[in-house]
Amino acid sequence: DAKTTQPNSMESNEEEPVHLPCNHSTISGTDYIHWYRQLPSQGPEYVIHGLTSNVNNRMASLAIAEDRKSSTLILHRATLRDAAVYYCILERPDGLTFGKGTHLIIQP
Amino acid sequence: EAGVAQSPRYKIIEKRQSVAFWCNPISGHATLYWYQQILGQGPKLLIQFQNNGVVDDSQLPKDRFSAERLKGVDSTLKIQPAKLEDSAVYLCASSSLSGVWETQYFGPGTRLLVL
Repeated sequence: DAKTTQPNSMESNEEEPVHLPCNHSTISGTDYIHWYRQLPSQGPEYVIHGLTSNVNNRMASLAIAEDRKSSTLILHRATLRDAAVYYCILERPDGLTFGKGTHLIIQP
Repeated sequence: EAGVAQSPRYKIIEKRQSVAFWCNPISGHATLYWYQQILGQGPKLLIQFQNNGVVDDSQLPKDRFSAERLKGVDSTLKIQPAKLEDSAVYLCASSSLSGVWETQYFGPGTRLLVL
């Protein structure tokens, strides 16, 4: 199983950028990197995904290392509503395997 | 577009009782997933349906858990008999196609407490 490693928790201030790291040293060439987040008492929601190139969408940016062994989810301007558990997942044909994720705390 | 619907939202039962959860996926989504999320952990896939057929149920404890998706739309997940360790949130998700690169849309989950 391709596994990911994330810090258990991170803290940031409101309206500042947040960089959430993820290590995936055993990634294979066809594994997509997905990020989901789970707000309190809700199901996970899709954030962003990528394969090799950096990706941007309205929620976040995904920066992927050249060797693909690590990636960083970037929230450009965190709000209190971004407080959640963020999961970095390598998607394979047998689906998503969630780890424990990073608990992001946003301070006002 | 309506999201994934689940009911009930909460359920409290005693061990050895039975319980059933219902899921209505997003309209037109062929693939449906059931996950179990124990407190403090990420969701764990229990079973995946493609239309009304099972794609993967390798992590479903088949001695007590069963799931069906008879008409390829709604699905039910049943536990019989329940154990204390089944206390968790049961999440349903759907996607338009099976396999890689398809975004999964999750419902709010059913929180089960087994006493």
